[in-house]
Amino acid sequence: EIVMTQSPATLSVSPGERATLSCRASQSVSSNLAWYQQKPGQAPRLLIYGASTRATGIPARFSGSGSETEFTLTISSLQSEDFVVYYCQHYHSWPPWTFGQGTKVEIK
Amino acid sequence: QVQLVQSGPEVKKPGASVKVSCKASDYTFDRYDIHWVRQAPGQGLEWMGWISPYNANSNYAQKFQDRVTMTTDTSTSTAYLELRGLRSDDTAVYYCAREAKLAVFFDYWGQGTLVTVSS
Repeated sequence: EIVMTQSPATLSVSPGERATLSCRASQSVSSNLAWYQQKPGQAPRLLIYGASTRATGIPARFSGSGSETEFTLTISSLQSEDFVVYYCQHYHSWPPWTFGQGTKVEIK
Repeated sequence: QVQLVQSGPEVKKPGASVKVSCKASDYTFDRYDIHWVRQAPGQGLEWMGWISPYNANSNYAQKFQDRVTMTTDTSTSTAYLELRGLRSDDTAVYYCAREAKLAVFFDYWGQGTLVTVSS
């Protein structure tokens, strides 16, 4: 099973600033990595797939990068609605399709 | 607008079973696999398994293999998750999610169903 590790667990950032979230895989997942955003009481929403492709309707301030074992989600200028939880998920080769434990972005 | 609408909250006693439904609309149901993901209170996301509505092939996470059954009814475009032998640590929100056409990530999610296991 591939273990996904996100860091930090909580990220404190001021509105309008940049946020950088990390996700590390225990073995290479190539570019088979997705990012989701989850607001309180809601289902996750797909942000990024293929490590760097924005899903339909996702604002350009969200960008993804990385490959193999190291990935980054960057939010270029944080808006009020962005202060929520983010998860990465691999979909490389075969199941189980595991998620990271999440990074909570909070207002500094 | 693609939608996955799940059944309502459930309260079950330890040892009981629960069956959660997920009704799909506005797309061709049998062309997209359905996955189930759960989230315990205050915790992260845990993948449970998937099923193909096209041919009923399924694959379950090893952790749940002895207790879970996923089925679909193509006549009503509905997927089902049954979990047996409920324990208190099965208390969670259970989500269905549609697998994207490109690869195994999830482009649409149900609203979630809270299952509470308590004596």
